[in-house]
Amino acid sequence: AQSVTQLGSHVSVSEGALVLLRCNYSSSVPPYLFWYVQYPNQGLQLLLKYTSAATLVKGINGFEAEFKKSETSFHLTKPSAHMSDAAEYFCAVSDAGPNTGNQFYFGTGTSLTVIP
Amino acid sequence: GAGVSQSPSNKVTEKGKDVELRCDPISGHTALYWYRQSLGQGLEFLIYFQGNSAPDKSGLPSDRFSAERTGGSVSTLTIQRTQQEDSAVYLCASSPSPPVYSGNTIYFGEGSWLTVV
Repeated sequence: AQSVTQLGSHVSVSEGALVLLRCNYSSSVPPYLFWYVQYPNQGLQLLLKYTSAATLVKGINGFEAEFKKSETSFHLTKPSAHMSDAAEYFCAVSDAGPNTGNQFYFGTGTSLTVIP
Repeated sequence: GAGVSQSPSNKVTEKGKDVELRCDPISGHTALYWYRQSLGQGLEFLIYFQGNSAPDKSGLPSDRFSAERTGGSVSTLTIQRTQQEDSAVYLCASSPSPPVYSGNTIYFGEGSWLTVV
């Protein structure tokens, strides 16, 4: 089975500063990787996904992530944080094996706080 | 429907009672997932349906938990004899029919907040 590790359960940045949320995965096959965001009292919303096309993936709200196979990483970045970015962020990997179908494994999440 | 719909959105129940949580996936989505999110925790996988069958139910925490899906659409998660540790948000998600290696996205509902008192 695949797994995902998110380093840092809480990250604080100043408004306008760079956002970097880390995600490392383990996978025996080329993975599909996702970042989801969860705003308070809401469900999860897809930010972006990597499906073996371009290694740099651009998502909504100015976020992007880069797939680095050599580092087994898929870190999420945004050049300039906004107050509205404060939320919980989840990295996920898809295990699209022939016997298990399209299973998803989520990291434990990173809570982003943006300081005015 | 336009999105994944879950009901009830909030449920307070007494310890020992049974509860049913409902999920109505996006129309045409054959894959359906249940996750549990406890306060301050990540997402805990419970069960996965492909059509009406559940090829992976390894995440159900005990035999008090069960789920079914009928007509390839609506799913019900049932928790019997609820305990306080069952208090959590129960999230449902759906995905289009997943050809192998498709990397299909899953779409989440707003969740059902369960409080056991």
